[in-house]
Amino acid sequence: DQQVKQNSPSLSVQEGRISILNCDYTNSMFDYFLWYKKYPAEGPTFLISISSIKDKNEDGRFTVFLNKSAKHLSLHIVPSQPGDSAVYFCAASRSTSYGKLTFGQGTILTVHP
Amino acid sequence: DTAVSQTPKYLVTQMGNDKSIKCEQNLGHDTMYWYKQDSKKFLKIMFSYNNKELIINETVPNRFSPKSPDKAHLNLHINSLELGDSAVYFCASSQELARNEQFFGPGTRLTVL
Repeated sequence: DQQVKQNSPSLSVQEGRISILNCDYTNSMFDYFLWYKKYPAEGPTFLISISSIKDKNEDGRFTVFLNKSAKHLSLHIVPSQPGDSAVYFCAASRSTSYGKLTFGQGTILTVHP
Repeated sequence: DTAVSQTPKYLVTQMGNDKSIKCEQNLGHDTMYWYKQDSKKFLKIMFSYNNKELIINETVPNRFSPKSPDKAHLNLHINSLELGDSAVYFCASSQELARNEQFFGPGTRLTVL
């Protein structure tokens, strides 16, 4: 039973354009959401997060949007750069779960020059 | 300086053997985790420790035994290795138990033949 899903295995975007990565979840008890970025042969790197009390959080080129009623979040990268090419994982947690993160299966983003 | 390090990076072994993976973090964090990334690329939590105390144990076979000699180290020992144990194992740490932003090591790719 996969509680966090990233339904697009891959996404290809032109440099300078917007990348939109999507994530859906089924557990309404999740109250904190994170995005991680992973390069080959490296561990995931924390990118940005959002609490369920917000619907948007922005950090430079990265913005995460949360739609609680739809149980959906998205990561926007503007403008996209070739160095953004990586696997992006969405993760969710509950405040009572002692830091347990539930991850989606990842989306491979390729940004073409 | 490596924040979260794991050794070895690659491990190839025969079924039935016992092996260990070591993890160290120099971030001064209180909480450490082990995750398994299976062939379908899902990252799933196995264990977490807070100040050397086991907090999360996620229905992992008891052939897997984590050991935390101090809060900077969390090692994973696996007995009687099986083919299905082949995966990438990631260690992670966070500042405290309730903090969701986790810092990951580079991973250990375990192949059981």
